[in-house]
Amino acid sequence: GENVEQHPSTLSVQEGDSAVIKCTYSDSASNYFPWYKQELGKRPQLIIDIRSNVGEKKDQRIAVTLNKTAKHFSLHITETQPEDSAVYFCAARGRNTGNQFYFGTGTSLTVIP
Amino acid sequence: NAGVTQTPKFQVLKTGQSMTLQCAQDMNHEYMSWYRQDPGMGLRLIHYSVGAGITDQGEVPNGYNVSRSTTEDFPLRLLSAAPSQTSVYFCASSYGVSGNTIYFGEGSWLTVV
Repeated sequence: GENVEQHPSTLSVQEGDSAVIKCTYSDSASNYFPWYKQELGKRPQLIIDIRSNVGEKKDQRIAVTLNKTAKHFSLHITETQPEDSAVYFCAARGRNTGNQFYFGTGTSLTVIP
Repeated sequence: NAGVTQTPKFQVLKTGQSMTLQCAQDMNHEYMSWYRQDPGMGLRLIHYSVGAGITDQGEVPNGYNVSRSTTEDFPLRLLSAAPSQTSVYFCASSYGVSGNTIYFGEGSWLTVV
């Protein structure tokens, strides 16, 4: 099946700085890569996603890049704010894995005011 | 439109007891799934269903049963609870099985003593 690795597991940045979280996946047939944000005690919520026919997608301060050849994708948050503090999960979904979602182990981001 | 609804939110069980976590969605989603979330391990798929009458196992199915008699409901049954099943459980659903993101319920915090 699919194996998704996520790094780093914890990340602290100063407010206003950028944060980058990286994920790799093993199934070359995976074709959809969402990112979720989970605040303490809450459900994961989709913040951005990218499909395999696109190399980059941006939504205000959040962007995701995908390198299909290297099988990795990254989340970029610019001008970080304290409310960006949360756990972020990447996921991969692909045909060779029965179209199931496989998640990374999460990154706990802390934005220091 | 309530989205994905899970009950109960909190539950304490004794070892060996059985219980059912309820999940319902009102979005006419074909695909439904159950995940468990443990510290440092991300979200792991327990069971999933691609439509009424169809279920299949995920990464960690042992000790759990599911059924899908209707499109709306996807209950998760713990047959004989064990302390290792102490976790947060999330039900999720999506429109289809190819390339669509999933929406999570609010989570069920289960403690087995």
